[in-house]
Formats: sequence, C-alpha cells, structure tokens
Amino acid sequence: GEDVEQSLFLSVREGDSSVINCTYTDSSSTYLYWYKQEPGAGLQLLTYIFSNMDMKQDQRLTVLLNKKDKHLSLRIADTQTGDSAIYFCAESINDYKLSFGAGTTVTVRA
Amino acid sequence: NAGVTQTPKFQVLKTGQSMTLQCAQDMNHNSMYWYRQDPGMGLRLIYYSASEGTTDKGEVPNGYNVSRLNKREFSLRLESAAPSQTSVYFCASSGDRGDYGYTFGSGTRLTVV
Repeated sequence: GEDVEQSLFLSVREGDSSVINCTYTDSSSTYLYWYKQEPGAGLQLLTYIFSNMDMKQDQRLTVLLNKKDKHLSLRIADTQTGDSAIYFCAESINDYKLSFGAGTTVTVRA
Repeated sequence: NAGVTQTPKFQVLKTGQSMTLQCAQDMNHNSMYWYRQDPGMGLRLIYYSASEGTTDKGEVPNGYNVSRLNKREFSLRLESAAPSQTSVYFCASSGDRGDYGYTFGSGTRLTVV
C-alpha cells in the first residue's frame, strides 16, 4: 500500500514543542521524509530518516521512527512563528517515487 | 543556483483551452515529476519521468500529457482544460541519492473557469 496519513491541523503556543505524527503503510520504505511548505511556496525538504534508524536529531528538529507500528513523528522544539506552515510526511515507494500525506497545518499562536 | 524553475506562476484558462506548464532543473537530476495539490488531499502524482526518454503515469494522469524534452526539461500539457483541473501544480526533480529527497519548484496556480 502507499497510504500516508497525518492529522490535518495542529495549534501550538510559541515557545512550546510541536509534535506532528504520521503513519505509513509500506514496510519496505527506505527513506522517510518531512517537508515544509510555507504559504505560496513549494515544498522544502526539512529532514529525512533512513529506515534502519530509530531517531535523528537536527538542531530543533527530532524525528522518531517506530518501524513496528509504521509511525513517524517530527518534534519541533521551541516553536517559533516562522514555523507556521504545512508539514508533509512522505515515504519512498521505490528508487524514485515518493508517497505524500495530506499535510498538517501548524499554527503558532503568541 | 536556480534549482527547479516553473513557468508560469499563475494562469487562468477557459474551459476547453489548452496550455503547457514548463519545468526546468539545473541540478543534473535524472528523475522529474509533476504533482497537483488540492486542499485536504495533499500531493497527487500526475506523471513522472524516471530518466531522460521515459515517462510513466502516476495516480491521476487523465486529462494530461507530458514530454521529457531533454534531461533538464519536463513539460505538462492540458489539451482541453476542465474546471476539475483547477489546482496548484508542482514540478519536482530527484537525483540518485535517496537522502536528498525531491527538490520542488515554487508551483503554478491554475484556475479553469
């Protein structure tokens, strides 16, 4: 299967941590990705995790992967107003195809 | 470093008109893709080209055609536009390394009236 599911909306207070969750179906996915889309722009690769890793940290971003449950999460520490955007989870289907979730709109409130 | 360039950025068409969306990448990537983005539906793959000289259908190819003109350019054509094709269209490219993911263009916002 190629379904990637994520919740549609998340509201978070500035300075708090944000956690965006995603479930995927293809257990053979080699890479899993998080993309960020700001208003009126294309998608920008935020981070990725290789399927044999459990966790990856990159500055304020932490990616957790639970292969058994096919669950991926993105944690943003100290969320700022510039983090307001749509976040897409994606899994690799084969060497060159990705399957994307519907996107989670993150709103950061003061 | 331009990355992936799409033209035009905005377009309004009347039902039945045709048009071609252009996409070019300067990263020497082998693979290129066309997606459409609709509210609440995420990104859906229209067509892709795994390498120069090949094209394949994605999830939603009906009403579209593509041409991989050379390694750099991948165009999307709407032969007879319909209101259901109102959407934001994104072109993307990818190289041989999975950890680089896709590089996206900034999108074309198309309205069919």
